[in-house]
Amino acid sequence: NAGVMQNPRHLVRRRGQEARLRCSPMKGHSHVYWYRQLPEEGLKFMVYLQKENIIDESGMPKERFSAEFPKEGPSILRIQQVVRGDSAAYFCASWEQGHEAFFGQGTRLTVV
Amino acid sequence: TQLLEQSPQFLSIQEGENLTVYCNSSSVFSSLQWYRQEPGEGPVLLVTVVTGGEVKKLKRLTFQFGDARKDSSLHITAAQPGDTGLYLCAVPNAGNMLTFGGGTRLMVKP
Repeated sequence: NAGVMQNPRHLVRRRGQEARLRCSPMKGHSHVYWYRQLPEEGLKFMVYLQKENIIDESGMPKERFSAEFPKEGPSILRIQQVVRGDSAAYFCASWEQGHEAFFGQGTRLTVV
Repeated sequence: TQLLEQSPQFLSIQEGENLTVYCNSSSVFSSLQWYRQEPGEGPVLLVTVVTGGEVKKLKRLTFQFGDARKDSSLHITAAQPGDTGLYLCAVPNAGNMLTFGGGTRLMVKP
């Protein structure tokens, strides 16, 4: 049973470009969470999705950030017009009722 | 103000020493989790504590949940270089969304 898969592992974007981060949850998991981690800090919740639905996006900036979890395919975190302050590690975690959440290895975004 | 305050933020010790890290809050939680995150990796769940006063052992790691379920500690006996990493406490809400503390970054020198 493959774990949570995130890609790419590393992503470099110039200011103003778009970043698309992908997360394939564990098989059988229909809940996905995205977190952001700045250097030397803990993880901060961004958004919680269940298949085709956004359940809680209270931690995600309203401008430039969006997330989706389609019926088929991975969850996508999209950041438009990236700025240097978006540089961070982005983790997704997947979960199913009655089980613990499992984290992917993260995507490290660097904005130059 | 963070919901979960972890201390110390950084800890550098020699192999073989013992250490304790703390996770404190003014709120009461139904459960609390500890994670370890190694460089370049995602967090990995170590333990979930549920009952006030509960003590759980995982090899050389001892986890305790405070009697009032507001705080927790992690004690490592005879630390090894392989214990190096970021230790995070977290509390889940009803939807299993996790709120993390700021973490304790541990370095164990050989």
